[in-house]
Amino acid sequence: AQTVTQSQPEMSVQEAETVTLSCTYDTSESDYYLFWYKQPPSRQMILVIRQEAYKQQNATENRFSVNFQKAAKSFSLKISDSQLGDAAMYFCAYRRANSGYALNFGKGTSLLVTP
Amino acid sequence: GAVVSQHPSRVICKSGTSVKIECRSLDFQATTMFWYRQFPKQSLMLMATSNEGSKATYEQGVEKDKFLINHASLTLSTLTVTSAHPEDSSFYICSASRPGLAGHDNEQFFGPGTRLTVL
Repeated sequence: AQTVTQSQPEMSVQEAETVTLSCTYDTSESDYYLFWYKQPPSRQMILVIRQEAYKQQNATENRFSVNFQKAAKSFSLKISDSQLGDAAMYFCAYRRANSGYALNFGKGTSLLVTP
Repeated sequence: GAVVSQHPSRVICKSGTSVKIECRSLDFQATTMFWYRQFPKQSLMLMATSNEGSKATYEQGVEKDKFLINHASLTLSTLTVTSAHPEDSSFYICSASRPGLAGHDNEQFFGPGTRLTVL
């Protein structure tokens, strides 16, 4: 079974600063997908960024980027120029490559953004 | 974009009654739908995987007779919590899967969730 570990229950960052959220995973698969989801107080799950394991290039979406280290099974999320609206729970998730597989989530990191 | 709706958004019921939650993909046909449960300050835990026209696959520890899943069409899946008890109070979230754009695997889209409170 695949496991996803987020070792930071809570993180805090000052507005306009940069913060990195950690995620490690365990799998015996060679092809898979990794995701970061944001869950604001509304509880709606919002996809922040995704990474295909076969791609060596780290994914980037505006202020959000990942550091994907396949050999180390590490997938951290970097948020640059943090904004108050970034405050939320962030979940790292893993999914096997073939269609029809569910997401396997980590326990989440609560991000607080201070003015 | 792809939109997934859930109804109701909130429901309060008495212990022993049954509650049905609907999950709809509004602008695409979902090959697979998933049901998750999320307790306060915890992560999403997969309950079951549902494919249209076939029986749902339940995760270990999830009672299939208590959590009935029906996936009658490519746009609708329902979760019925039968004989609900206070310990079933939780946030239930569905997601719907569709084939992705060229070069991408299938994508999953989440509903807004349903908060169930059993008195």
